[in-house]
Amino acid sequence: AQSVTQPDIHITVSEGASLELRCNYSYGATPYLFWYVQSPGQGLQLLLKYFSGDTLVQGIKGFEAEFKRSQSSFNLRKPSVHWSDAAEYFCAVSGAGKSTFGDGTTLTVKP
Amino acid sequence: DTEVTQTPKHLVMGMTNKKSLKCEQHMGHRAMYWYKQKAKKPPELMFVYSYEKLSINESVPSRFSPECPNSSLLNLHLHALQPEDSALYLCASSQLDLTGISGNTIYFGEGSWLTVV
Repeated sequence: AQSVTQPDIHITVSEGASLELRCNYSYGATPYLFWYVQSPGQGLQLLLKYFSGDTLVQGIKGFEAEFKRSQSSFNLRKPSVHWSDAAEYFCAVSGAGKSTFGDGTTLTVKP
Repeated sequence: DTEVTQTPKHLVMGMTNKKSLKCEQHMGHRAMYWYKQKAKKPPELMFVYSYEKLSINESVPSRFSPECPNSSLLNLHLHALQPEDSALYLCASSQLDLTGISGNTIYFGEGSWLTVV
């Protein structure tokens, strides 16, 4: 069975600081991995995805993520956070016709 | 065009009402999904349609009835709902590979906010 763990329920960073959101997955085969962002009152927006190839993936809004098979991780990073990045972030693994989401990490950005 | 369109955006219904949520995509995707999301929680899969046929039903109560009239449309018919069914309902779609298994990107709509009174 596939599963996703996001260890940090809530993270607060100052505007302009760097950000890393953690994601650990469990999947029996090569995983398809995703990061989504959800602003309050909105649907889910895809930030980036990993299927294969280069383990450092670039996404929208200046985000990137690195796939580390040895650590079963797919952490999301941004070098400089903007106030508009405050939102809920979900990591997901997909396979066998289903997607499984982590519980999410709430990002608060301090001025 | 990477868009999944859902209507209505907001719906308030009584427990004896019958209503429907609608979803449309024109990306040629052959898998479509309904998810339910409660506040501060991840989306929970409800149904998956593959090639217009129901392939996954995650033990959803029968008061939720999905329908896939064609490859672009997905409906969720609602009847005799309970207040605890109030949530954001997300529609999504994705391509399918040749085995019918989807590891492809899932594109979500903005969702329909449902309130049951």
